[in-house]
Amino acid sequence: SQKIEQNSEALNIQEGKTATLTCNYTNYSPAYLQWYRQDPGRGPVFLLLIRENEKEKRKERLKVTFDTTLKQSLFHITASQPADSATYLCALDDLGGYNKLIFGAGTRLAVHP
Amino acid sequence: NAGVTQTPKFQVLKTGQSMTLQCAQDMNHEYMSWYRQDPGMGLRLIHYSVGAGITDQGEVPNGYNVSRSTTEDFPLRLLSAAPSQTSVYFCASSYSRLAQETQYFGPGTRLLVL
Repeated sequence: SQKIEQNSEALNIQEGKTATLTCNYTNYSPAYLQWYRQDPGRGPVFLLLIRENEKEKRKERLKVTFDTTLKQSLFHITASQPADSATYLCALDDLGGYNKLIFGAGTRLAVHP
Repeated sequence: NAGVTQTPKFQVLKTGQSMTLQCAQDMNHEYMSWYRQDPGMGLRLIHYSVGAGITDQGEVPNGYNVSRSTTEDFPLRLLSAAPSQTSVYFCASSYSRLAQETQYFGPGTRLLVL
């Protein structure tokens, strides 16, 4: 069956450390993978998109990798801050290029001072 | 720009009642969609629209109807509410139907069906 898996347990890290979140998928062949941030009581907000032919994408303190062989994406936040505390969702396209996004359940990140 | 707006923010219904969740966007986006979010589960696609007058079903369409008479508005109708429809509902829009487009989400409607 098709599924997207993100760590269901919260990730707790100290301020200043690098947070690494994992997104694994099975039985999909996405052309794109996106990462979103969701704060409590609010809608998801887009962070980064990576294409299947890109190994890595960076935006300020954020870095995303995409390994289509392992069927995995890693999301890194360097020099993490308490303001980075949120739930992070990965999403991939289900129709080989059309915007029917399939979302993972998300991983909650807590950055402690 | 207000972006994507949703009303109401919170609603309580009794089983069997009907209601419409409103969604509007002011970005002239072609693509709009409705998701529901339940604890421990990812956002699940209910219905989507690739333009005015064109709608299609997502992963969990049963019990919901949609229509898209204008580019701006994409209401979601619950015909006969059931407790299983208790959830948080998000409307989203993007410039086009292509998967590389950013999705912009509304603030959500929290629905409780008793």
